Amino acid sequence: ETGVTQTPRHLVMGMTNKKSLKCEQHLGHNAMYWYKQSAKKPLELMFVYNFKEQTENNSVPSRFSPECPNSSHLFLHLHTLQPEDSALYLCASSQGSKVQLAGRETQYFGPGTRLLVL
Amino acid sequence: TQLLEQSPQFLSIQEGENLTVYCNSSSVFSSLQWYRQEPGEGPVLLVTVVTGGEVKKLKRLTFQFGDARKDSSLHITAAQPGDTGLYLCAGENSGGSNYKLTFGKGTLLTVNP
Repeated sequence: ETGVTQTPRHLVMGMTNKKSLKCEQHLGHNAMYWYKQSAKKPLELMFVYNFKEQTENNSVPSRFSPECPNSSHLFLHLHTLQPEDSALYLCASSQGSKVQLAGRETQYFGPGTRLLVL
Repeated sequence: TQLLEQSPQFLSIQEGENLTVYCNSSSVFSSLQWYRQEPGEGPVLLVTVVTGGEVKKLKRLTFQFGDARKDSSLHITAAQPGDTGLYLCAGENSGGSNYKLTFGKGTLLTVNP
C-alpha cells in the first residue's frame, strides 16, 4: 500500500472539455509530483511541489495547470487537450527536504489516471 | 539532458530461469533507484543504491551500482511468474536544490509458468 490515491482512475474527455485530476497522499510528505507516462517513452516529470511551492515546471504546455492547496493534495487541471496528451498520469510524493540528501528521497507513486483525449 | 538506457526492452522467459537487465548512462548520478510497475498500478520502489560498486540483495533480486555511478544492473535468480512487470531504473540528479529523478523506458519482463 503506497498511501497515495488518485482519482479518477480512468478519464475520457473531448478536446474542448475541462477536467481535473486529483491526488491525495496520506504519508505526511511535503513534496508532490506529476508525471506523464506514454507508451514507448520514459516517465516524464511534469511538475514538482516542495513544501507547497512549485519548484519545477518541466516545459509543460499551459493547457496543463497544477494546483497544490496543501501538502496532502495535488491537482492537475486540464483544458483544451490534444489527442497526443493521452497517457497515464502518475502522482508521487516524497518526504521533501530543504537540503538534498542523495538516496534519501524515496518517491511513492499512486496508481495513476488513464487519460484518453478524443 | 541526462538519459538512461535500459536493455533489453522486452524479455520473456520461463519460470526458473535467471536473467539480468541493464541500466546505462553517460552521466553520473547521486543514486539510482529500481522500481517495478504492474499493469494498472504506479511504480513501486524496490531498492536505492547510493555508493559506487554497491551491491544490494532483495530475496532473489540482486542490484549492483557501477563503480563510476553511471550504470546499474538487476539480476533475478529463478524467476517466478510473480516477477512479471515493467522494471524501471531512475537516476537521481546530482546537486541542485530540487530532487529529480530521470527514468529509463523500462524493461518489460514476462515470466511464463
